[in-house]
This record gives sequence, C-alpha cells and structure tokens, in this order.
Amino acid sequence: AQKITQTQPGMFVQEKEAVTLDCTYDTSDPSYGLFWYKQPSSGEMIFLIYQGSYDQQNATEGRYSLNFQKARKSANLVISASQLGDSAMYFCAMRGLAGGTSYGKLTFGQGTILTVHP
Amino acid sequence: NAGVTQTPKFQVLKTGQSMTLQCAQDMNHNSMYWYRQDPGMGLRLIYYSASEGTTDKGEVPNGYNVSRLNKREFSLRLESAAPSQTSVYFCASSEVGGAPGEQYFGPGTRLTVT
Repeated sequence: AQKITQTQPGMFVQEKEAVTLDCTYDTSDPSYGLFWYKQPSSGEMIFLIYQGSYDQQNATEGRYSLNFQKARKSANLVISASQLGDSAMYFCAMRGLAGGTSYGKLTFGQGTILTVHP
Repeated sequence: NAGVTQTPKFQVLKTGQSMTLQCAQDMNHNSMYWYRQDPGMGLRLIYYSASEGTTDKGEVPNGYNVSRLNKREFSLRLESAAPSQTSVYFCASSEVGGAPGEQYFGPGTRLTVT
C-alpha cells in the first residue's frame, strides 16, 4: 500500500524568501516515483518536479528542488525566491513503478496551502 | 495537441440519476486515472487503469464503475448518484514503469448532486 502524508495544512512565506513544504511517504514497492503538483485557485493541476527512487541526485527544476531523503522516506519541496504567483495548494504524490504491487497507482497527499506575502 | 480532455465540464444531477464522465488522451499513454477532489482536500484515487484492458480500484471506488474503452478513453460511471458524490472529478494519464515523467491532468468536471 502507498501512503503520502503532508503535515502542514498551511504555510506562509515572505516574497523572495525560500520555503520548504514537507512530504513523507510509505510504500513497500521497490521502486517508485515522487511528484509535486501545484493547484492554483483556478483549479488546474500543474506538474512541478519529479524524483525517481533510484535517482542518485535530488531533482531540480528552476526555482523548485526536491530534497529526497530515501532512508527517512521524505520528499520535501523547496521553493527558492518565492513569488506572489506561488500562492496555491501544493500536492505531493507517489506512483508505483515496475515490480511492485502498486504498479501504475498514483496516490496524492492532502496538500499544503502556501501563501506568499508581499 | 489536446492532452487530456474531459466532458462535461459541469453537471448537476438529482439523487438516483446516472451519468458517465468521459475522458480521452491523445498522448498514447498506457495509464489512466480517475480522481475526486472534495473542497480543501487532496485528490483521492477512485479507479485506475495501468494499461489497456486492466482496471483496478483506488481508495474510494464505491458507487463508481469504470471502462477502459481503448487506449485513448477511460470513462467513469455513476449508476445512482448520491449527494456524497458532489465533487470535482479529474482524469489523468501517464506513462509508467521506467519512464519517469509527469501525469497529465484534464481540466476537471464539477459535479453537483442534489
């Protein structure tokens, strides 16, 4: 079974500062992928970043980086230099890859609402 | 390139009515998913199809059925709608297994059951 936990219902950050959104996961699958999505108030799901469990280095995409600590089963999202447009709901998600019982299954956490103050 | 399309965008049903939500993707993805999102909450997986010809239950399958019609299309049916099924429904598609990458989401269907 897969489980994603986001323990921060809401986070506040000052514009131009960095912020970390927490995500922990649990799975028995040998390989898996971890994702972060942004959902603005308009409702669409916007892909931000991906990390494979087998990747040696932490993923980065522009201002987004994923702090992957496999032994701790955590996959925190770091947003550097926050912008007002970063205010949104953020979801962590996991997908089972080949060889596991959760192959193909994509599970989301509860989400964290990020508010960026000017 | 349309990506993932969903129809309808909005729907109001009376309790007990049935309906089918349609989803199609044009990216030749193997896997497709149906989620529901209740206000202030994350996406909960209803059903998924890891590949054409297979479907599996997610976290909240009760009250729903799915059909993977072909590789492109994955429909979600509510046989007898209940007010508890009022939600926003998202369809998504992806590749799986050794092909890392994002899931592509449709725009969502906002369903209200009165």
